[in-house]
Amino acid sequence: GAGVSQSPSNKVTEKGKDVELRCDPISGHTALYWYRQSLGQGLEFLIYFQGNSAPDKSGLPSDRFSAERTGGSVSTLTIQRTQQEDSAVYLCASSWTSGAYNEQFFGPGTRLTVL
Amino acid sequence: KQEVTQIPAALSVPEGENLVLNCSFTDSAIYNLQWFRQDPGKGLTSLLLIQSSQREQTSGRLNASLDKSSGRSTLYIAASQPGDSATYLCGCDRGSTLGRLYFGRGTQLTVWP
Repeated sequence: GAGVSQSPSNKVTEKGKDVELRCDPISGHTALYWYRQSLGQGLEFLIYFQGNSAPDKSGLPSDRFSAERTGGSVSTLTIQRTQQEDSAVYLCASSWTSGAYNEQFFGPGTRLTVL
Repeated sequence: KQEVTQIPAALSVPEGENLVLNCSFTDSAIYNLQWFRQDPGKGLTSLLLIQSSQREQTSGRLNASLDKSSGRSTLYIAASQPGDSATYLCGCDRGSTLGRLYFGRGTQLTVWP
């Protein structure tokens, strides 16, 4: 597609429920990144994929968070047993490569609200 | 760890002024530094990417410079317009951890007519 797309754009859930957030990267981009943005924390890195593998998962805040990428394209971020502190905007980005030339393009984000 | 600081946190100027936004980073072993703008409720829009071998990049009224040795980058906006009002974010990687960007908290810019 023309840009990175994310769905849903907004998600309201109850504490304790599981949620899935989806990211469609720019066609041909091999690297995909998840970040989250909250008022108190700014932009935090969560995980990145090169192809279907995740060389860096160091930003995932707990084992309730997981992500996968299939076919070198679409990625899903799953949050299990959501907590109120998970409320944030989840941003996805993609780039041609994660190497020396790495211009990241961001999607519009998914705003997650946990009640 | 890479720590990124942006100064000032907020800036309010009349239309037409030339502006300088500053970004500093603690680990100079970077490959890429990228400037973004973010409008309220939106994602990040890439403005300029500077690779470590470059000293500056220009796009229209925007010019970004990079001084790796001092750990600084500057975004210069010429002849500011109300449409430039947004939050500007600086993100850079770190040589030992390719891929992820480390971000500053941003500079919130308001340009009034």
